[in-house]
Amino acid sequence: NAGVTQTPKFRVLKTGQSMTLLCAQDMNHEYMYWYRQDPGMGLRLIHYSVGEGTTAKGEVPDGYNVSRLKKQNFLLGLESAAPSQTSVYFCASHTGLAGVYTDTQYFGPGTRLTVL
Amino acid sequence: AQSVTQPDIHITVSEGASLELRCNYSYGATPYLFWYVQSPGQGLQLLLKYFSGDTLVQGIKGFEAEFKRSQSSFNLRKPSVHWSDAAEYFCAVVDMTTDSWGKLQFGAGTQVVVTP
Repeated sequence: NAGVTQTPKFRVLKTGQSMTLLCAQDMNHEYMYWYRQDPGMGLRLIHYSVGEGTTAKGEVPDGYNVSRLKKQNFLLGLESAAPSQTSVYFCASHTGLAGVYTDTQYFGPGTRLTVL
Repeated sequence: AQSVTQPDIHITVSEGASLELRCNYSYGATPYLFWYVQSPGQGLQLLLKYFSGDTLVQGIKGFEAEFKRSQSSFNLRKPSVHWSDAAEYFCAVVDMTTDSWGKLQFGAGTQVVVTP
């Protein structure tokens, strides 16, 4: 049982390049989230999904797109990377449904992205 | 709107000394509150959570937190700090609105440094 995994762990991009971050969970969780972490700002929600085939915007969605074609995977895409997207990205998953307020969100190890 | 404030950005504590991290929230009803810890280069791990009942909550790694409704606070404590407790600590609250899908609102974090 690997929990939540993220690929890649590190990446350096040039401005204007594109990339996709992959999040996978093996806990059969319904809900998945993408956060970014910046110094002094805690974690801020980018996008989230409450089930296969669904996505929704979070607090800071601009410049990002997401897809959830399979229940276990949640992809975060940057179509044209900008230096302001230099950050650490965390994926999380949650059982959802009846435990939506009380169950724990489980976090992946993070992806450190630098945009030059 | 809900908000979470961690007044201390950085705390230095001697090994063996006690530790208290402050968290204040802004929310109309009783919130669901969480403390997460992030060790260097790692993802977030849940320390403890509070939903209702006993206002003193025990967590992992010897941590506890006390919910005080009158002060809108949920402070984290540990009686005797170990060097391995050096990490960043985040307080978070669940958005309880009906369409929130369990989204977490994080504080900015408190960095804890442990000295010999």
